[in-house]
Amino acid sequence: KAGVTQTPRYLIKTRGQQVTLSCSPISGHRSVSWYQQTPGQGLQFLFEYFSETQRNKGNFPGRFSGRQFSNSRSEMNVSTLELGDSALYLCASSLSLAGDNEQFFGPGTRLTVL
Amino acid sequence: GENVEQHPSTLSVQEGDSAVIKCTYSDSASNYFPWYKQELGKGPQLIIDIRSNVGEKKDQRIAVTLNKTAKHFSLHITETQPEDSAVYFCAASKGSNYQLIWGAGTKLIIKP
Repeated sequence: KAGVTQTPRYLIKTRGQQVTLSCSPISGHRSVSWYQQTPGQGLQFLFEYFSETQRNKGNFPGRFSGRQFSNSRSEMNVSTLELGDSALYLCASSLSLAGDNEQFFGPGTRLTVL
Repeated sequence: GENVEQHPSTLSVQEGDSAVIKCTYSDSASNYFPWYKQELGKGPQLIIDIRSNVGEKKDQRIAVTLNKTAKHFSLHITETQPEDSAVYFCAASKGSNYQLIWGAGTKLIIKP
């Protein structure tokens, strides 16, 4: 069974640009969650999508947005990039809602903003 | 809102010894408590979880205990091995409709 895949694995952008990250969940999983991970901040929850609907949202500015497609694949977009957006972005999928189900994480996308 | 505090931030133990990581949560309605292990260069992976109707759960060398009165839960690793070296995260949730609230992580170092 294929795991969670994330593309691209590495990305370099400059301030002010926008970026789109992609996540393909495990087949049959309906929930996709996104996290930002930085060395000093641990795992910061961005949002969770379930059946194409955003179910939960973390404390991030509106520059961070996401969506989920009918095949459960999800994308995350960050507009007007700032230096502080440099981080590892992790996607996780679960069979049902993530609040009390095992999450399976992808390897992450390393975003560097110059 | 819900807050989860995790201690210590770094833990160094001799191979073969036990390691204990503790988390404290603030919302008494929390009822699901997973522990994730993140190895270098990989995403976190669930190693054990516990629900509020259970006080303790074991899986080979790993155990989790939950004290609902004190609102804390702990991860216990016995007979530590080099492959246990990783960052461990605890989390808490009030249920499926709520987001997981994560602890800050503990870097576990196993000394040979």
